[in-house]
Amino acid sequence: RKEVEQDPGPFNVPEGATVAFNCTYSNSASQSFFWYRQDCRKEPKLLMSVYSSGNEDGRFTAQLNRASQYISLLIRDSKLSDSATYLCVAALNAGNMLTFGGGTRLMVKP
Amino acid sequence: EAQVTQNPRYLITVTGKKLTVTCSQNMNHEYMSWYRQDPGLGLRQIYYSMNVEVTDKGDVPEGYKVSRKEKRNFPLILESPSPNQTSLYFCASSPAGGAGYTFGSGTRLTVV
Repeated sequence: RKEVEQDPGPFNVPEGATVAFNCTYSNSASQSFFWYRQDCRKEPKLLMSVYSSGNEDGRFTAQLNRASQYISLLIRDSKLSDSATYLCVAALNAGNMLTFGGGTRLMVKP
Repeated sequence: EAQVTQNPRYLITVTGKKLTVTCSQNMNHEYMSWYRQDPGLGLRQIYYSMNVEVTDKGDVPEGYKVSRKEKRNFPLILESPSPNQTSLYFCASSPAGGAGYTFGSGTRLTVV
């Protein structure tokens, strides 16, 4: 069983749709959580950190549920430019030992 | 421009020939890390460093060495590369672990 699991997708959605991704992690000692975005053949880019209180950045909302050990990402009003793979990350050791999920592919269509 | 720079971007080498992939960051970050990305296996951490002369193993350190003699540089060394080290490698840095990492553009390594 992978330590961080994500539905690989792809999620095919029309522009303007709201889409949600979930991710589960198995190591309850994980301390920090993140969502990264990765475009094809490019480096991962930090999208946002994830906090228990939930956090929002524009159209993106992330939530952490420590009791159930899952992390979510909600994207509202999807844009074509949101098409990418979204990587869920759980970290140990003050955020320095990162374990990545396999990624969820999102395709936003006109 | 704040960035993490890896070199080379592409490398084809033969089994057993020692190689070094360089990584440099200009953001004065304390933390640096190396990852490899393989189809079906995702991104896996090789080594990380929390400060100069402080390094530690990640999930897949076998066959790799690192050094952190200066804050800005964190080279990845393959003493005797083998075909199973063919992969896409990323270096990353962070001001603090909980702040998330900035990644370099990647090095695509092929070992034949």
